Amino acid sequence: EIVLTQSPGTLSLSPGERATLSCRASQSVSSGYLAWYQQKPGQAPRLLIFGVSSRATGIPDRFSGSGSGTDFTLTISRLEPEDFAVYYCQQYSGTLSYTFGQGTKLRIK
Amino acid sequence: EVRLVETGGDLIQPGGSLRLSCAASGFTVSSDYMSWVRQAPGKGLEWVSVLQSNDMTYYADSVKGRFTVSRDSSKNTLYLQMESLRDDDTAVYYCARGARGAFDVWGQGTMVIVAS
Repeated sequence: EIVLTQSPGTLSLSPGERATLSCRASQSVSSGYLAWYQQKPGQAPRLLIFGVSSRATGIPDRFSGSGSGTDFTLTISRLEPEDFAVYYCQQYSGTLSYTFGQGTKLRIK
Repeated sequence: EVRLVETGGDLIQPGGSLRLSCAASGFTVSSDYMSWVRQAPGKGLEWVSVLQSNDMTYYADSVKGRFTVSRDSSKNTLYLQMESLRDDDTAVYYCARGARGAFDVWGQGTMVIVAS
C-alpha cells in the first residue's frame, strides 16, 4: 500500500498570501493518479485537482497542482477567506486501492 | 444535476449489522466506479471499498470479509452491507463517484456509531 505523508500538519497564513502544501508518497504514484481535496467542517470533501495538475470543474485558477513520482504540491496563489479548510491528497495505485494523506489544516493567521 | 444521497446510518452495538444506501441522480451508478469512503470523528479520510462497472469489487484490508458493496441498477442505488461491526468502524460514511483515479462527486455522508 502506498502511504501518503502531508506536510505541514497545520499552516497558518493570512488572506492574500501564497500557500504551498506538500504530499509525499512512499513509492511512485501510478500514472500520475494524484488528487487534492478541500474539506470544510461539517461538509463532504470537494475535489480540487485530479491527475496531479488538472483542475476540477468550477475550481478557481488560484489552485494549482504539480509534481511527479513521489513528491506533489498543491499551491494556492492568493488565499481567499473561503480557502481556510483542511486539504487532503489522495492516490490511486491502479490495483483498485486508494489512499489518502492525513491532511493539512490551513488556518487563518 | 449530479447528486448522491446516503441514508441508513445509525447507532448499532458491536457485532451488529447495518446496510447503508446511496441514491444517485444525474448519472448511472452502473456505468461508473463507485466507492465508499469513511471518516472517523476528528480524523482523516479512509477509502473503504469500490464497485467497478464490470461488477468487480475491492476492499480496504480493515473491512475485508466484513463489508460488501453492491448496487441495484433499477434503483440507481449503491449499498454497503456492514457485518461484525466494531468500535473503530464508527465514522461518517460517504459514497463517491470515481473518475480518472479521483472522486469527483460526493454525497453528504451518513453517520454510523458503533457503541454499546
